[in-house]
Amino acid sequence: DTEVTQTPKHLVMGMTNKKSLKCEQHMGHRAMYWYKQKAKKPPELMFVYSYEKLSINESVPSRFSPECPNSSLLNLHLHALQPEDSALYLCASSQDMASGDYEQYFGPGTRLTVT
Amino acid sequence: AQSVAQPEDQVNVAEGNPLTVKCTYSVSGNPYLFWYVQYPNRGLQFLLKYITGDNLVKGSYGFEAEFNKSQTSFHLKKPSALVSDSALYFCAVRPPMGGAGSYQLTFGKGTKLSVIP
Repeated sequence: DTEVTQTPKHLVMGMTNKKSLKCEQHMGHRAMYWYKQKAKKPPELMFVYSYEKLSINESVPSRFSPECPNSSLLNLHLHALQPEDSALYLCASSQDMASGDYEQYFGPGTRLTVT
Repeated sequence: AQSVAQPEDQVNVAEGNPLTVKCTYSVSGNPYLFWYVQYPNRGLQFLLKYITGDNLVKGSYGFEAEFNKSQTSFHLKKPSALVSDSALYFCAVRPPMGGAGSYQLTFGKGTKLSVIP
């Protein structure tokens, strides 16, 4: 099973709301990633978790807060977002972070609209 | 820092004809190279990768890619295109293990492939 699942598929939120995106994988992968993707652009890396610890934060604003409750789950907590944060948010996982030859498996994404 | 170039924003090909989607890269050392495909409103789907060994790599759905070290290229190919191959294709590179930024998968800007019936 090479599936990464994400919920919800779509999310509309106001600028004062608090919401969370969820990601799950059962491949035994020890690295998990959050990406942001604007229309017709490549994904941009936001965060990397390795062995349930935050390893990389690509200077993401604090209104995005990641969490890794266990090795299978990854959350992205959203608070006080701006309209320009509207995008497709992709979760990915790979067997390891440090070994570059492992491909990343992506979930279907959450389409976020901030009003 | 590593980089990837996909020189064509769009590639149009007739169904049944061979297709090529171009990719060139820049990275120190021997790279790890990947191709991903993205269908509308979907996540990225892994197609194939080059790590080492044979320069011709075969992947999912009949796709293959040829690694050319002297030209720093990793073009995606398929002998006979299908309408269902129409999608956005991303080439990506990671530096060798232990290199600077080796965790980072750097994507090209993407090439939209349209297969015309």
